[in-house]
Amino acid sequence: GAVVSQHPSRVICKSGTSVKIECRSLDFQATTMFWYRQFPKQSLMLMATSNEGSKATYEQGVEKDKFLINHASLTLSTLTVTSAHPEDSSFYICSAFTGTGVRGYTFGSGTRLTVV
Amino acid sequence: TQLLEQSPQFLSIQEGENLTVYCNSSSVFSSLQWYRQEPGEGPVLLVTVVTGGEVKKLKRLTFQFGDARKDSSLHITAAQTGDTGLYLCAGARQGAQKLVFGQGTRLTINP
Repeated sequence: GAVVSQHPSRVICKSGTSVKIECRSLDFQATTMFWYRQFPKQSLMLMATSNEGSKATYEQGVEKDKFLINHASLTLSTLTVTSAHPEDSSFYICSAFTGTGVRGYTFGSGTRLTVV
Repeated sequence: TQLLEQSPQFLSIQEGENLTVYCNSSSVFSSLQWYRQEPGEGPVLLVTVVTGGEVKKLKRLTFQFGDARKDSSLHITAAQTGDTGLYLCAGARQGAQKLVFGQGTRLTINP
């Protein structure tokens, strides 16, 4: 149980275009999801907390207008990278808070974004 | 400043040796988790520790949570080449849901 599906796994886009990444909880309802960014050979950096039905909470230094987060349902959160630039190329990972037991968090398999 | 200080960040040892990875903080955590991540994939949970002083074992891996719930360690006995990977500690502070990660330890076990 507690499976999170992230799509797409890889995407290449041109500079200036927008890219949407989806994070779905398949067998549970996730009121809270998290979006992370990971640079090569580095750890996960929390970008924002996505709350169902309300605005996302962004970490310091993360541009809200650049990284749009929508959590319109209990099973889906989306991250849209707007007007993408090569420096936005990274590995993006979502996580859902299951809130039950000691496991607590389930991660998606990540999205490799390359902006050319 | 990093909320969770993980060390060492890089470690390369021979197969059969033992190693310990540390995760330290000045903050108290309601729980600490250890993950392993393969390239191009999301992190996979190894263990969660929630009680101060708790020790958990997973085959050759031993995880410990500090008495004050501010630090944790991962000890691997008789490392194998299959243990190679990125190990991450992560914690949720008291009263918070968001999970923050340490810098990670890139472990290489040489045959």
